[in-house]
Amino acid sequence: GESVGLHLPTLSVQEGDNSIINCAYSNSASDYFIWYKQESGKGPQFIIDIRSNMDKRQGQRVTVLLNKTVKHLSLQIAATQPGDSAVYFCAENGGNNRLAFGKGNQVVVIP
Amino acid sequence: DARVTQTPRHKVTEMGQEVTMRCQPILGHNTVFWYRQTMMQGLELLAYFRNRAPLDDSGMPKDRFSAEMPDATLATLKIQPSEPRDSAVYFCASHDGLAGNEQFFGPGTRLTVL
Repeated sequence: GESVGLHLPTLSVQEGDNSIINCAYSNSASDYFIWYKQESGKGPQFIIDIRSNMDKRQGQRVTVLLNKTVKHLSLQIAATQPGDSAVYFCAENGGNNRLAFGKGNQVVVIP
Repeated sequence: DARVTQTPRHKVTEMGQEVTMRCQPILGHNTVFWYRQTMMQGLELLAYFRNRAPLDDSGMPKDRFSAEMPDATLATLKIQPSEPRDSAVYFCASHDGLAGNEQFFGPGTRLTVL
């Protein structure tokens, strides 16, 4: 697919287990962060977002944690399913709704 | 089901040829972004428009790339002349202009320049 990079960090996880994907961001002034999921052959798809005045936000099977002290963002996926296999990108809002994307993490779910 | 559309989905061309990629943003969205994705660089912002006016194209090589919005329903990205290093997937994303709302990505155009 278009998005997969041979050198992307890869997380292999057993179906049903929880997944944790980590991301470091660079701009301490960023006020908004997003996680995107990109499946092979598709464009990035929004998963969940969080504002800088929060440290945790939960969605359906996903939780995003924000640690502004160390500029770290994580995405937790509960009960990982085969459909969760994809590349996951974190992005920070650089102002004017411009997003700066991380390099991505490949998640491979083992049935 | 509102979505961003891009054409063509795939384009193979020879070095030196002109390439035009098209994007139809979601109706009512006033902000359009162009990104390029490669294995080496990941997702890079090339340019973006608000209300059809270019706000920032600093990520775009000016000598060969140009981006326009002829009307609110069409954004174009043109490369002339194309080079093998332009081979990548080009994504368009649209946004409703409200702070904190998500960008919606199109399916991308996979460009191969031989």
